[in-house]
Order: sequence, then C-alpha cells, then structure tokens
Amino acid sequence: AQSVSQHNHHVILSEAASLELGCNYSYGGTVNLFWYVQYPGQHLQLLLKYFSGDPLVKGIKGFEAEFIKSKFSFNLRKPSVQWSDTAEYFCAVKRDTGRRALTFGSGTRLQVQP
Amino acid sequence: DGGITQSPKYLFRKEGQNVTLSCEQNLNHDAMYWYRQDPGQGLRLIYYSQIVNDFQKGDIAEGYSVSREKKESFPLTVTSAQKNPTAFYLCASSADVTSTDTQYFGPGTRLTVL
Repeated sequence: AQSVSQHNHHVILSEAASLELGCNYSYGGTVNLFWYVQYPGQHLQLLLKYFSGDPLVKGIKGFEAEFIKSKFSFNLRKPSVQWSDTAEYFCAVKRDTGRRALTFGSGTRLQVQP
Repeated sequence: DGGITQSPKYLFRKEGQNVTLSCEQNLNHDAMYWYRQDPGQGLRLIYYSQIVNDFQKGDIAEGYSVSREKKESFPLTVTSAQKNPTAFYLCASSADVTSTDTQYFGPGTRLTVL
C-alpha cells in the first residue's frame, strides 16, 4: 500500500524566513502529487499540483514545489513566509492506476510569528 | 454560488446512535469522497463514489455506510459499530476519478460522541 510521509509535524518560523516542508511517498509507479492547505476555520484548498512536465511547479501565494522522482519527494517551498501563511499543510498522492482517491500525509502545522 | 456544502457544521450524538452527515455538491462532479481527519493523522479515506449508484470502500470503512442515489448527494452514516467516531469529517468531489483531476473539499462536519 502506498503511504505519504511528512516529517515535519510542527514548524515555527519568523516572518520573512524561508520555508521548506518535506513530503515523501512510497508508491513506485506513476503518481500525481498535490499540496493542500487548511487555514484556520477555512476549507481545505489546493496550493499546487504536479502531473507531468517541469518538475518545479508554482502554486498560489508564492508557493512552489519540486518533484524529485529518484527521491520519491515533493517538497514545498516558499522563499519568505508571512504571518498569513499560518496554516496546516498536507501533501497528497494519487496513483495513475487503481484506486484514484488521494492518499494524504499526516500534515504539517506551520506557525509564523510576526 | 457553486461548491460543496456539508451539514451540520457541528453534530453531537450519544453512544449507540447512528447519525447521518450530509454532503451536497452543485459542481456537476461525477466523483465524491468522504475523509476523516484526526489530529496528527492527516485525512483518511472512508468511502468514495465514481458514479451514481456505485461506491467503494476506502481505508477505514468499518462502521460507516454511504449511498449515492443522486449525482449531487453522497450522505455518510456513522453507525454504532464505529468504535471511535469523534472526528472531523470532510466531503470532497472531483469531475471524475482520473489521476489528474483536482478534488474540492467542503467545510466539514465535526462529530462529537458524548
């Protein structure tokens, strides 16, 4: 069974610091990769997604992620965080075959201090 | 206003009672999903449906049941057989179940068993 690992459970940063959140998955076949964000009191919403092509994908609010196939990784980055980035971030994987629902990581809670 | 609605937002039930959570979408999506979110565990798939009158078990289907009689509706029943039902429940939908398709999420229902 595939799994998704997010190694950072709780990250605390000051405003303007750079962010990198790790995500690794275990499935060996073709996958599609997603990062979702859950702001306090709001719906889970899509930040960015990778299907094919350029492994560096850009999303909303200045976020980007890089797919490294050899490392089974899809890390999320932002050069300079803001207080409004305080949220919980989830990495998710969807296989190209078989079950087509998302498998989520356990999430990373990001707290940005002003 | 298009989207996914879940009701109620908060739900309390006594042990031994079944309870049904509502999920409605007006996005004309074929696929719908139910996830359970627990602190530190991310989202786990309960059931999903690719099309009307069809649904499949996810990773944690025991103690839950669903129906998909209409395209826009996918109610989830939490039965008394679910040993630890207190959680945050999220409904999602996507246009179809292809691996490239994005899932959109509702606001969630927080269920507390007293």
